[in-house]
Amino acid sequence: DQQVKQNSPSLSVQEGRISILNCDYTNSMFDYFLWYKKYPAEGPTFLISISSIKDKNEDGRFTVFLNKSAKHLSLHIVPSQPGDSAVYFCAATLANAGGTSYGKLTFGQGTILTVHP
Amino acid sequence: NAGVTQTPKFQVLKTGQSMTLQCAQDMNHEYMSWYRQDPGMGLRLIHYSVGAGITDQGEVPNGYNVSRSTTEDFPLRLLSAAPSQTSVYFCASSSTQISNEKLFFGSGTQLSVL
Repeated sequence: DQQVKQNSPSLSVQEGRISILNCDYTNSMFDYFLWYKKYPAEGPTFLISISSIKDKNEDGRFTVFLNKSAKHLSLHIVPSQPGDSAVYFCAATLANAGGTSYGKLTFGQGTILTVHP
Repeated sequence: NAGVTQTPKFQVLKTGQSMTLQCAQDMNHEYMSWYRQDPGMGLRLIHYSVGAGITDQGEVPNGYNVSRSTTEDFPLRLLSAAPSQTSVYFCASSSTQISNEKLFFGSGTQLSVL
């Protein structure tokens, strides 16, 4: 049972436009959400995160929105650039009673973003 | 800074062979973990460690062993390789000093089991 789902395997966007990547989750106990970016032949790299107590977090061109009632989060990239072309993974964590997740993440399947010049 | 280093980058095994995937980090992170990436499945946690001498199972631990004798190293052992273990393997580390959810990943090991 996939607890974190990215239902769009791929997304194609024109340079300068907005890219919106979506992610749904089923476990309402998740308390922290992250987006990772992965280029071919490299490991994933952290992009942006959001705590479950917030509904928006912004970092430059990247904004993550969290809708807890819908169990949905999205990543907005504005404006999109060709260098943003990569696989984007949504991930979630569940802290234990001590408040730590030990770095244990549950990942979605990933969405391939292609930004055309 | 090297960060998280994985070796080898590529490996081909025959069914039944054993091997060890190496992982080392030089950031003094407490937490280390192994994930495998398969098409349509995202990354799945195999084993993780919260410190030297302490390991635990993740989502897909069967067929893999780990140990952590030092803070820096976290090798993953395949005892008897099976075609189902064909995958890309990523080692990661994190620290509560930064945020234990922000994982630093190695560049991966692409493993094929024939």
